[in-house]
Amino acid sequence: EDKVVQSPLSLVVHEGDTVTLNCSYEVTNFRSLLWYKQEKKAPTFLFMLTSSGIEKKSGRLSSILDKKELFSILNITATQTGDSAVYLCADQGAQKLVFGQGTRLTINP
Amino acid sequence: DGGITQSPKYLFRKEGQNVTLSCEQNLNHDAMYWYRQDPGQGLRLIYYSQIVNDFQKGDIAEGYSVSREKKESFPLTVTSAQKNPTAFYLCASSAGTGVYEQYFGPGTRLTVT
Repeated sequence: EDKVVQSPLSLVVHEGDTVTLNCSYEVTNFRSLLWYKQEKKAPTFLFMLTSSGIEKKSGRLSSILDKKELFSILNITATQTGDSAVYLCADQGAQKLVFGQGTRLTINP
Repeated sequence: DGGITQSPKYLFRKEGQNVTLSCEQNLNHDAMYWYRQDPGQGLRLIYYSQIVNDFQKGDIAEGYSVSREKKESFPLTVTSAQKNPTAFYLCASSAGTGVYEQYFGPGTRLTVT
């Protein structure tokens, strides 16, 4: 059965810190790994990763995939209070996404 | 204005009643999905549909039913057989079931008492 595990489950840091969120996965017929940010309601798409070792970057956020070790990380540099959210990782197998339980990130001013 | 709409935002029902949650998309996406989210947990797949008039059970389909009569609409019925229906329900769509990101609606929070 496909499985996605995120760590840590909860993280509290100060504004300006750099954080690294982890996602490990086990999936048959791997196609891609996705990261989403969920604030109050709908998750919003951040990144889709399909190839190992190629970093995807958007502003202060970046993510990379290791298909050999079956994990991905999401980095956020110079954190701001607006980065406070639940970050969800999902792997895409044959026909559906399997989500991890999420990391709740809190940025204190 | 393209996107996914879900209605209502909040829904309250008495135990034993069936309730239908609406999901509409104007993105011309083929695939649509229903997820359930409980406090402190990730999303769990209830049902998904790859094409009109076809749908498959996800990981937690018991107590739920769906239909896909139109490409843009994928309503979810929470039946009285669902033991713990109180949750946040999210609808999503994607261009297909290949390597495509899913886009989410704003969600419906269902409370059953």
